[in-house]
Amino acid sequence: AQSVTQPDIHITVSEGASLELRCNYSYGATPYLFWYVQSPGQGLQLLLKYFSGDTLVQGIKGFEAEFKRSQSSFNLRKPSVHWSDAAEYFCAVVSNTGNQFYFGTGTSLTVIP
Amino acid sequence: GAVVSQHPSWVICKSGTSVKIECRSLDFQATTMFWYRQFPKQSLMLMATSNEGSKATYEQGVEKDKFLINHASLTLSTLTVTSAHPEDSSFYICSATLAGNRYEQYFGPGTRLTVT
Repeated sequence: AQSVTQPDIHITVSEGASLELRCNYSYGATPYLFWYVQSPGQGLQLLLKYFSGDTLVQGIKGFEAEFKRSQSSFNLRKPSVHWSDAAEYFCAVVSNTGNQFYFGTGTSLTVIP
Repeated sequence: GAVVSQHPSWVICKSGTSVKIECRSLDFQATTMFWYRQFPKQSLMLMATSNEGSKATYEQGVEKDKFLINHASLTLSTLTVTSAHPEDSSFYICSATLAGNRYEQYFGPGTRLTVT
């Protein structure tokens, strides 16, 4: 069965510092992978997605993620974090045979000045 | 493009009453819509998948008689929480997929339901 693991429940970084949020998935075939961001009391906003091709994908707000098949990972990165990046981040996988999303448990990001 | 709205954004109702939440795709036709439930500090839990014109498919453990889903048109799906109880209080989020592109979901802003 498909699953998504986000090992870090909560991360705190200083503004201007780099960020990496981890995501590991379990899926037999090539998955379709997504990162979403959720601000408090809001819905989910798509940051970026990977379907195929270049394993380094660029997203909105300066985020990028790298698909590593050998590690079953799709980690999210940002070189310099802004205070407005404080939010909940969800990694998700959808099977290429259906349209059901499997979400990770999320990583809460706090940005300190 | 690909904007999904929800109404209301928050609602308070008394125990035993029913409440309806609307999910609309504003600028596209959504052949499939999804309803999620999210508890505080937790991930999204898929409740059901609805396709226009057909009965919704509910996930295991979700009471279909309690959470009524109607996908009457390609731009509107509704979730009705019947005989609401305080334990139904939660954040409900809908999403929709574009016709012909089932791998990308566009999420609504969510509805906060509080049952007193």
